[in-house]
Amino acid sequence: AQTVTQSQPEMSVQEAETVTLSCTYDTSENNYYLFWYKQPPSRQMILVIRQEAYKQQNATENRFSVNFQKAAKSFSLKISDSQLGDTAMYFCAFTPPRGGADGLTFGKGTHLIIQP
Amino acid sequence: DAGITQSPRYKITETGRQVTLMCHQTWSHSYMFWYRQDLGHGLRLIYYSAAADITDKGEVPDGYVVSRSKTENFPLTLESATRSQTSVYFCASSLAGENTEAFFGQGTRLTVV
Repeated sequence: AQTVTQSQPEMSVQEAETVTLSCTYDTSENNYYLFWYKQPPSRQMILVIRQEAYKQQNATENRFSVNFQKAAKSFSLKISDSQLGDTAMYFCAFTPPRGGADGLTFGKGTHLIIQP
Repeated sequence: DAGITQSPRYKITETGRQVTLMCHQTWSHSYMFWYRQDLGHGLRLIYYSAAADITDKGEVPDGYVVSRSKTENFPLTLESATRSQTSVYFCASSLAGENTEAFFGQGTRLTVV
């Protein structure tokens, strides 16, 4: 069974700062997919960024980027130039390479607060 | 409207009652999922379905029943609700294959009193 650990229950930074959210996972699979989801107060789950384990290049989506360290089983999310709208719960998630049929395994989440 | 919708958005029920949460998607995605979200636990998988008439248990299936007679619908039933089932429930869907992005509904907040 896979596990996903997010060790920071809550983080708070000033607007425009850069923040990094940590995520580690445990799996015996060699190939898999990793995700970061954002959940604002509206409760909607929004995909932020995705990484395929067989790709060495770190994924980037505008202000969001990841630091994927496969050997260390680490998948951190960096948010640059943070904005008030980035305030949300952030969940790291894992799925094995079986076409997504097994669903996602989530971490417990990090509550990120962007201060004005 | 295209997308994935859950109903109701909010529900209060009494212990011992049966309650069904509805989930409907318009993309014809093969895979559908039910998760529950509890403080301190993140989201945990209850049941999933790879296609119509194919369902399987996830991490926390006890006390829940699902069915999938049509590709677009995936209802979740609590046969005899308990207070421990007070939670926010999310339905999700995704395409089959390696593109495993899941799309989530808005969630249903269920309170069992």
